[in-house]
Amino acid sequence: GNSVTQMEGPVTLSEEAFLTINCTYTATGYPSLFWYVQYPGEGLQLLLKATKADDKGSNKGFEATYRKETTSFHLEKGSVQVSDSAVYFCALRSNTGNQFYFGTGTSLTVIP
Amino acid sequence: GAGVSQSPRYKVAKRGQDVALRCDPISGHVSLFWYQQALGQGPEFLTYFQNEAQLDKSGLPSDRFFAERPEGSVSTLKIQRTQQEDSAVYLCASSSRDRTSSGNTIYFGEGSWLTVV
Repeated sequence: GNSVTQMEGPVTLSEEAFLTINCTYTATGYPSLFWYVQYPGEGLQLLLKATKADDKGSNKGFEATYRKETTSFHLEKGSVQVSDSAVYFCALRSNTGNQFYFGTGTSLTVIP
Repeated sequence: GAGVSQSPRYKVAKRGQDVALRCDPISGHVSLFWYQQALGQGPEFLTYFQNEAQLDKSGLPSDRFFAERPEGSVSTLKIQRTQQEDSAVYLCASSSRDRTSSGNTIYFGEGSWLTVV
């Protein structure tokens, strides 16, 4: 079946620290992989995506590389800001179905 | 519209009451999804529409949950005889294309926060 496992939070970092949020997946077929971000009181927003192995998605300084050999899609940012404080969700969409499968989310707090 | 719009944003229902949640997808989007997000959890799939056809309702937790999209645009999620375990955020999302490409992005609304007391 399809599932996503991401590292549990909460994660607290100082401004300008390096961020990694781990995400691994199990999927049938050839999935596309996504990171969504949810700011307090708001809906989910697409952060980045990758549709095939070795693709790198990037946006707003965040990056994630689709690693088929390790079934991973870890989110990284070299220097976090206070405004990055949010909940981050890893997700996959299989090419054999309609559903998105989400991880449980990782809460990030960046302190000045 | 510019984004996916959901109403009401917040709803408090007494146990046993029926509720209806509305979703206005992005104009022209073919695909529409409903998700349920419990506190501290990721969104869980409820149902999927392609235009007016409900192609997948495997995620609906019970027969108290019903969704429709009669004209292929606005959708309503109805919950009958609400229970406390129904308390969650109900997210609507839409996408411009059908299921043929897994890379298609879906765009979420801000959600309807339902609390059953």
